[in-house]
Amino acid sequence: GAGVSQSPSNKVTEKGKDVELRCDPISGHTALYWYRQSLGQGLEFLIYFQGNSAPDKSGLPSDRFSAERTGGSVSTLTIQRTQQEDSAVYLCASRSSFSEDTQYFGPGTRLTVL
Amino acid sequence: GNSVTQMEGPVTLSEEAFLTINCTYTATGYPSLFWYVQYPGEGLQLLLKATKADDKGSNKGFEATYRKETTSFHLEKGSVQVSDSAVYFCALITTRDYKLSFGAGTTVTVRA
Repeated sequence: GAGVSQSPSNKVTEKGKDVELRCDPISGHTALYWYRQSLGQGLEFLIYFQGNSAPDKSGLPSDRFSAERTGGSVSTLTIQRTQQEDSAVYLCASRSSFSEDTQYFGPGTRLTVL
Repeated sequence: GNSVTQMEGPVTLSEEAFLTINCTYTATGYPSLFWYVQYPGEGLQLLLKATKADDKGSNKGFEATYRKETTSFHLEKGSVQVSDSAVYFCALITTRDYKLSFGAGTTVTVRA
């Protein structure tokens, strides 16, 4: 596609519910990242997928957070038993193997946990 | 580890004023440096980048020079416009882990 797309654009949920956020990277990009943008923490790395390698999960804040990438393309970030502190904008980015330092970001999903 | 420190805002300027946003970094290895911009209601966009010492990145009238000796990557624009109102993020990436580390962001408002 023309760019990275994310869905939904906004998600409001109740504390304790599970949510799934979706990311469609730029076609052909081998690397995919999830970041979180929140008022208190700024922009922080969550998880990184590169091809068929095991993902780098070092940024996930707790075991309630998980992500998968199916078929080397679409990725889903899942947050279980959401808490109010999970409220943030979740950003997805993808990167080509031909430009290893440049990531292209999607518009984000704004998650609000009530 | 890697970290980025950038000038805190908010910054308010008049149109045609000179803008500078300071950014310094610490990194393990040899980082590539970036400025990303987030316009109101929009996602993060790459503004410019530099991949090695003394490189100058430029775009839309903005410039930043990779200064290894001072570990800095300050953003400058000689004459800002109202349309430059946005949040600006300095960031770095290293080939060690390919993960972006961001500064806190600087909110810039340009008044007509």
